Amino acid sequence: DTEVTQTPKHLVMGMTNKKSLKCEQHMGHRAMYWYKQKAKKPPELMFVYSYEKLSINESVPSRFSPECPNSSLLNLHLHALQPEDSALYLCASSQLGLAGISYEQYFGPGTRLTVT
Amino acid sequence: DQQVKQNSPSLSVQEGRISILNCDYTNSMFDYFLWYKKYPAEGPTFLISISSIKDKNEDGRFTVFLNKSAKHLSLHIVPSQPGDSAVYFCAALKRGDRDDKIIFGKGTRLHILP
Repeated sequence: DTEVTQTPKHLVMGMTNKKSLKCEQHMGHRAMYWYKQKAKKPPELMFVYSYEKLSINESVPSRFSPECPNSSLLNLHLHALQPEDSALYLCASSQLGLAGISYEQYFGPGTRLTVT
Repeated sequence: DQQVKQNSPSLSVQEGRISILNCDYTNSMFDYFLWYKKYPAEGPTFLISISSIKDKNEDGRFTVFLNKSAKHLSLHIVPSQPGDSAVYFCAALKRGDRDDKIIFGKGTRLHILP
């Protein structure tokens, strides 16, 4: 199983809503990532979890709140978003070696988020 | 400051011919390079990688070449097929770095012409 799944596929939310994006992998990967991708741009890293602990936060606004309940699941909680937060949100996972080496990242299909 | 550069936003290649996608990087500390392929409305798919101790890695129709002195890598696809039409991202990282993050280029859109 080399699949990373994400739900929902599409999400439309108002600026006062609270919603969550979900990501799941069963490859035994101990690193999981959230990326944001705008049209015609490369993915931008938001958060990295290593062994279920937040290891990197790329200065993401607090209206985005990640959570890693266990080694297979990664959530992104959304609250009071702005229209400019509309984008494709990608989850990825990878192995972690003893020295924290990240191997190839496997991406999910993404959640297309529209904030109205 | 763009550490990974893909200077060609798009490339058109005849079906059956060779597609060559180029990538330059500025950080000499990068020691691992990857190519991802992305279809519209899907997440990037890992294609092939190369360690900085090698200058070539081949996997089926895909070959990646690394020229460390020029800080340049390229992806060759031979022969090109219609399903190869996608956006290709070059990416780099420094293994063992506390940050453990991949730096992506802006991508090159490859069109395979019939």
